Amino acid sequence: GENVEQHPSTLSVQEGDSAVIKCTYSDSASNYFPWYKQELGKRPQLIIDIRSNVGEKKDQRIAVTLNKTAKHFSLHITETQPEDSAVYFCAASTTGNTGKLIFGQGTTLQVKP
Amino acid sequence: GAVVSQHPSRVICKSGTSVKIECRSLDFQATTMFWYRQFPKQSLMLMATSNEGSKATYEQGVEKDKFLINHASLTLSTLTVTSAHPEDSSFYICSALLRTGSSYNSPLHFGNGTRLTVT
Repeated sequence: GENVEQHPSTLSVQEGDSAVIKCTYSDSASNYFPWYKQELGKRPQLIIDIRSNVGEKKDQRIAVTLNKTAKHFSLHITETQPEDSAVYFCAASTTGNTGKLIFGQGTTLQVKP
Repeated sequence: GAVVSQHPSRVICKSGTSVKIECRSLDFQATTMFWYRQFPKQSLMLMATSNEGSKATYEQGVEKDKFLINHASLTLSTLTVTSAHPEDSSFYICSALLRTGSSYNSPLHFGNGTRLTVT
């Protein structure tokens, strides 16, 4: 089955700097890659997603890039703010028509004011 | 849109008892729902896929007789933790698939989660 590896596990940046989180996946047939933000004790919230027919997608300060050949995708957050502090999860859809997502291990992002 | 409601948010039960958790899609029909489990500071581990009108599909290592899933309608799936033990204490989160068109590769929308503590 699909396996998703995420790095780093923790990331600390100064307010205004950029943050990059990277994920790799194992199943070459996976074709949907969302990113979720989870604050302590709360539900994961979708922040951006990308499908395999595009290489990059941007939404204001957040962007995701996908390299299908290398089977990795990354989340880029620019001009970080303290409210960006949270745990971020990448995920990949598995093959077949199920829609289920397999998640990476998570990255705890701390943005220092 | 795409609101998923999960109840209860917290439950404390005694060892050996059963606990039912409900997951509802409030403004859309969800033929497929997923149940995840999350330990503190860890990732979301998929437990099972719940399909409306059919048996759930469990991930490897998840005991189907212990974690009973029922998806009786297009808006409701339930997870019952039977004969709960302290090691079952965890954060359980449901999610519903909002399909866009014919594709299953669509965002999952999560409930608020249920914090289960078994004493």
